[in-house]
Amino acid sequence: AQTVTQSQPEMSVQEAETVTLSCTYDTSENNYYLFWYKQPPSRQMILVIRQEAYKQQNATENRFSVNFQKAAKSFSLKISDSQLGDTAMYFCAFMRHTNAGKSTFGDGTTLTVKP
Amino acid sequence: DVKVTQSSRYLVKRTGEKVFLECVQDMDHENMFWYRQDPGLGLRLIYFSYDVKMKEKGDIPEGYSVSREKKERFSLILESASTNQTSMYLCASSPYRGSYNEQFFGPGTRLTVL
Repeated sequence: AQTVTQSQPEMSVQEAETVTLSCTYDTSENNYYLFWYKQPPSRQMILVIRQEAYKQQNATENRFSVNFQKAAKSFSLKISDSQLGDTAMYFCAFMRHTNAGKSTFGDGTTLTVKP
Repeated sequence: DVKVTQSSRYLVKRTGEKVFLECVQDMDHENMFWYRQDPGLGLRLIYFSYDVKMKEKGDIPEGYSVSREKKERFSLILESASTNQTSMYLCASSPYRGSYNEQFFGPGTRLTVL
C-alpha cells in the first residue's frame, strides 16, 4: 500500500516570502501521479498543482512549483511571493496510474501567511 | 467549472439516528468518493464508486454504507450514528479516464453526533 507523509503539521511565512512544504511517499510503482491540494479555511479543497512521475521536468503554476525527486520519493511544494490568500491547509496526494482515480492523501500541513 | 455540492454544511444528530449525507456532481464523472477529515489524520477514504450501483470499500468503511442509484448522486449513510462519527465529511468526484484524474471536492458537511 502507498503511504504519503507530510512531516510539517504547521508552518508560517511572512507575506511576500517563499516557503516550501515537504512531502514524501512510499511506493513500488513506477508510473503514478502526485498532487498538491489546498483547503482554505471554511472553503472547498482545490487542486494547486500536479506532476506525472514519468515527466522529469518539475511542474509550475504561477507562484507554485514543485521539486520532484523520484529516486528519493520526495515531492515538495514551493510557494513564492506568499500572499495572505495562501493561508490554508495543504494536502499532498499520490495516485497510481491505473487506480481508477483513488488517491492516498497525507495528513496535511497548515500554512499561515502573516502580514 | 465542475461543481460538487453536498446537502448540508452543518448537521447535528443524536446517537442511534440514521443519517444521510448527499452529494451531487454536475460533470458526468464516473468516480465519486466519500472521505472523512479529522485533525491530524488527513483525509481517510470511506467508500468510493466508479459507476452507478458499483461501490468499493475504502480504508474505514465500518459503520457506513453508500448508495449510487444515479451517476450524479452519491449518498453516504450512517445506519446508527455514534459519537465517534463526529467529523467533517468530504465528497469528491473525478473522471475515470483522462491523463490526470484530479479530484473535485464538495464544500464538506460538518457532522456532530450528540
